This record gives sequence, C-alpha cells and structure tokens, in this order.
Amino acid sequence: NAGVTQTPKFRILKIGQSMTLQCTQDMNHNYMYWYRQDPGMGLKLIYYSVGAGITDKGEVPNGYNVSRSTTEDFPLRLELAAPSQTSVYFCASSQAGIYSNQPQHFGDGTRLSIL
Amino acid sequence: QQQVKQSPQSLIVQKGGISIINCAYENTAFDYFPWYQQFPGKGPALLIAIRPDVSEKKEGRFTISFNKSAKQFSLHIMDSQPGDSATYFCAAPLYNQGGKLIFGQGTELSVKP
Repeated sequence: NAGVTQTPKFRILKIGQSMTLQCTQDMNHNYMYWYRQDPGMGLKLIYYSVGAGITDKGEVPNGYNVSRSTTEDFPLRLELAAPSQTSVYFCASSQAGIYSNQPQHFGDGTRLSIL
Repeated sequence: QQQVKQSPQSLIVQKGGISIINCAYENTAFDYFPWYQQFPGKGPALLIAIRPDVSEKKEGRFTISFNKSAKQFSLHIMDSQPGDSATYFCAAPLYNQGGKLIFGQGTELSVKP
C-alpha cells in the first residue's frame, strides 16, 4: 500500500499566485486532515474532513480552502498566496471516529515557499 | 484554548544515554496520549501511545510515563541510539471530534555516537 501520497513535494510560488496541494490515500479512511508545520510550532490543523462531502475548519484555516468529493482525495487550495503561508504541509488520514485511539497516517509533506 | 506544552525544544544525548521529553496538557477531556516520531524529510509516524487509566507503557526502549494528577506525560528513550535522532511530538486528541489532535511544539533529539 502507498498509504498517504502528497504532490508536489516542493513548490515555489510568487505572492498572489494560487495552487492546489494534492493528497490521496488508499487505506479507505474516512477521516482526513491538513496540517502545516512551522519551526518550533508543532503541527497546526488547517482543515479536516470526516467523510466525502463533509469538511470543517481547524485552528488556522484562513487563506485556505478544501473539498472532499471522494473518500480517497482531499486537496488543499491556496488562494492569493502570501509569504506567511511558507511552510511544510502535511496531509494525514485515520479511521478515527467515536474512539480517539486511532493513529493518524501522514504523507511526506509538501514544502512550499512563497516569495 | 486547549494546549499541549512540550519541553525541551531540543535535546542532545550521548549514545547509550536516556532521552527524556516532557509534555503537559490543560484539559482533562484528553483521553489518549500518543507520541509521534518524525525523521527529516518525512511525515510524523505514531511511535507509542498511552491511555490515562495506566501510569506507564513500555515498548522496547521506549516508555511513556503518565501522571494524571499533574496532567503530565513523558517519553523516555533508554539506551538512545544515533538512529533515534529525530523530532518527537506529543499529542492529545479532542474526544469525539473526528480524531483531531492537538500537538506539542516538538523536540529535536540528536544522539551523538
């Protein structure tokens, strides 16, 4: 199994450009998450989804949008990229539900620089 | 706002020594405490986890100690090896909220040969 796959691995954007970070998982997990990781700040939840067609905001949603049309895919869209969005973005999935002790499986990240 | 505070931010240990990373949480609704390990260029991966109804869990050289009254839990790495060099995150989920995790700030561990 590939697990969670993120593309691209690296990207440089200019201020004001937009792009979509792709995430797909092959574990049939209902729950999916987007995080950003900044040095010394841990992982901050941007958006999450509990199933196809259902998404909700996390801690730091401003400047981002998501959609979930299938169980497998959970793309993250950046509109009007700003330098503050320079970060490493991780997508994760899990079987979480009522029981919280299900591990999250992470992709290897997308390293995004906005200049 | 619920938080998990992790310390130290960085840690250097000699090969064979004990690495200790501490976390403190602020909300008793947390019911499961995982530790994630992240190698450079990779995503985090679950290392070990504990439920608050036990005070200690051991898996090989890795041990979680949990102090419910103090709202603290810690990761101990015995006989630390250079291959353990990574960033470690503690975390806690919000009960019945889609498995959402609150992460600590991370500890960058370097084990010197």
